[in-house]
Amino acid sequence: GAGVSQSPRYKVAKRGQDVALRCDPISGHVSLFWYQQALGQGPEFLTYFQNEAQLDKSGLPSDRFFAERPEGSVSTLKIQRTQQEDSAVYLCASSPYTNSPLHFGNGTRLTVT
Amino acid sequence: ILNVEQSPQSLHVQEGDSTNFTCSFPSSNFYALHWYRWETAKSPEALFVMTLNGDEKKKGRISATLNTKEGYSYLYIKGSQPEDSATYLCASIGGSQGNLIFGKGTKLSVKP
Repeated sequence: GAGVSQSPRYKVAKRGQDVALRCDPISGHVSLFWYQQALGQGPEFLTYFQNEAQLDKSGLPSDRFFAERPEGSVSTLKIQRTQQEDSAVYLCASSPYTNSPLHFGNGTRLTVT
Repeated sequence: ILNVEQSPQSLHVQEGDSTNFTCSFPSSNFYALHWYRWETAKSPEALFVMTLNGDEKKKGRISATLNTKEGYSYLYIKGSQPEDSATYLCASIGGSQGNLIFGKGTKLSVKP
């Protein structure tokens, strides 16, 4: 069956550009998470949705980061005016309900030059 | 955001050795503890989700225990094999909202 799909797989942006990263969760999964993973580190929490409601965005590092999930399925993570420190792998994960295991996508590797 | 810590950061063992590593999390307002296995160039895969104090779960040669009162979980691998080489992540949910916070992981290398 289809897993969590993220696109693009790789993104190179020039400093100052805006980027949009897409996550297609598994159909019917209520919970959706975004994480940022720097090289050699574990995933750092960014934000969490239950259906279309963004329940926690405390991990977003600055107001340049914005996430939405308007219809409770596909989610987009937008980064405005990208900086070099935004270079990382951005992971999306979904689960059918709280306390069920997460299913991860393959991630989007963002490189800001 | 609650703080989840894992130790050691990395571990090198010989094939056949048994090993274990630790995940520490705040015991107050505990909701659930997850373990994931993350191989290079792949996505993290779930091993266990644990919610009850004293719980012990097992999958093949891998097992995990949970102590919610003191805020720690152990992951054990019996008779390590080279294919066990991966980063092992734990994550904790603090409260019913469901946001899952990960530790930095323990990177295990098993030499044949």
